[in-house]
This record gives sequence, structure tokens and C-alpha cells, in this order.
Amino acid sequence: EAGVAQSPRYKIIEKRQSVAFWCNPISGHATLYWYQQILGQGPKLLIQFQNNGVVDDSQLPKDRFSAERLKGVDSTLKIQPAKLEDSAVYLCASSLYGLATDTQYFGPGTRLTVL
Amino acid sequence: AQSVTQLDSQVPVFEEAPVELRCNYSSSVSVYLFWYVQYPNQGLQLLLKYLSGSTLVESINGFEAEFNKSQTSFHLRKPSVHISDTAEYFCAVTGTSSNTGKLIFGQGTTLQVKP
Repeated sequence: EAGVAQSPRYKIIEKRQSVAFWCNPISGHATLYWYQQILGQGPKLLIQFQNNGVVDDSQLPKDRFSAERLKGVDSTLKIQPAKLEDSAVYLCASSLYGLATDTQYFGPGTRLTVL
Repeated sequence: AQSVTQLDSQVPVFEEAPVELRCNYSSSVSVYLFWYVQYPNQGLQLLLKYLSGSTLVESINGFEAEFNKSQTSFHLRKPSVHISDTAEYFCAVTGTSSNTGKLIFGQGTTLQVKP
């Protein structure tokens, strides 16, 4: 079974530029999560999709971050414009149903450096 | 709302020695508890989880964790570590009544196993 795929693995941009990350979850998983992991901290949920609908985006900085999951499969996360404090690893995860008891499966992450 | 505190940011230990990684949580509701592990250059993967029943849960690679409701703790232990256990370990919590499965992570503990 293929795992969660993410690309790119690394990205370096200058502040005020835009950037996009892509995630393909495990086949058949209804729920997709985007987390932000700042160095020295645990992952923090940015947005959660159930199929192609947003379940929770309470911690997404909506003035600069956007995400979509067209057709309920893969997803993109965009930052525009980027700030220095957006430097982090962006993790994508998926789970079968999005239940509290479900295991979340994580991709390798995209490491973003904003200069 | 929930929060998780991992009391040690780094734990150095010699190979074949026992280890304990500490995790305390705060919550006004009943919780499910998880330990995830992140090996170098890999994504997070589930190590073990407590959902209900026996308060002692085990992983396939010799780790165990005990849910202690009175002390609001979920410490991770292994009686004899290997070099290959070197990784970052994250404790996470979600409410049992959560309909989203949103995980709240601790800040992580780096386990460094020395030969």
C-alpha cells in the first residue's frame, strides 16, 4: 500500500513570494490533514478536510494561507505572501474516516525556508 | 481544549539501557492518547495508542506506555534500547467525543541512543 506522498521535499523562497505544496493521501482515505511543524515544536493542525469539505480551519492564517482538496483526493496548500515565520515543515496526513480513534498516516513533509 | 507537555526535550541513553519518555496532558474531557515516532528523514508514524481497556499498551518493537488517569500521564518506556531507536518521539491527545480526530501534539522528545 502506497503511503502519503508530498512534494516538493524542500523549498527555499524569499519573503513575500508565494509557494504551493502538494499532497496525495492514501487511497480510500476520506480525511486529509495539513500540519505545520516549526523547529523545536510539535505539529500544529492547520486545516482538515473530510472528502472535499473543510472540517476545521480554525488555526489557518486565512489572510495568507489557502488550501483545497478538489475531487476529495489530493490537496494543495498555498502561502501567499510568505513571511519569515512561515519557515517550518509542512506535514500532510490522512486517515480512513477522521474518527478520534483513527490512526493518522503522515507523509515525509515539505521543509520550507523563507529568507 | 487539550494540551500536552513532554517534560524532556532530549534524552541521551546508552544502548541496552532502559528509558522513559515522559508525557503529561491536560483536558476537561476524556481522551485518547497516542505516541508517534519520527525517524531521521522520515514522516511521523504511529508507535502505539490508548483508546480503552487495559491501561498498559504495547508496540511491536518493545515500547510500552501506561495511561494514568489520576496523574494525567502517558509515559513511554522501553526496558532495553537499541541504536535504531534513535528518533524524535511525540505524544498526542484527542478528545473521545471529538468528531474530527484533531490531534494536539507535545513538543517532542529526542531520544539519542549511544553505543
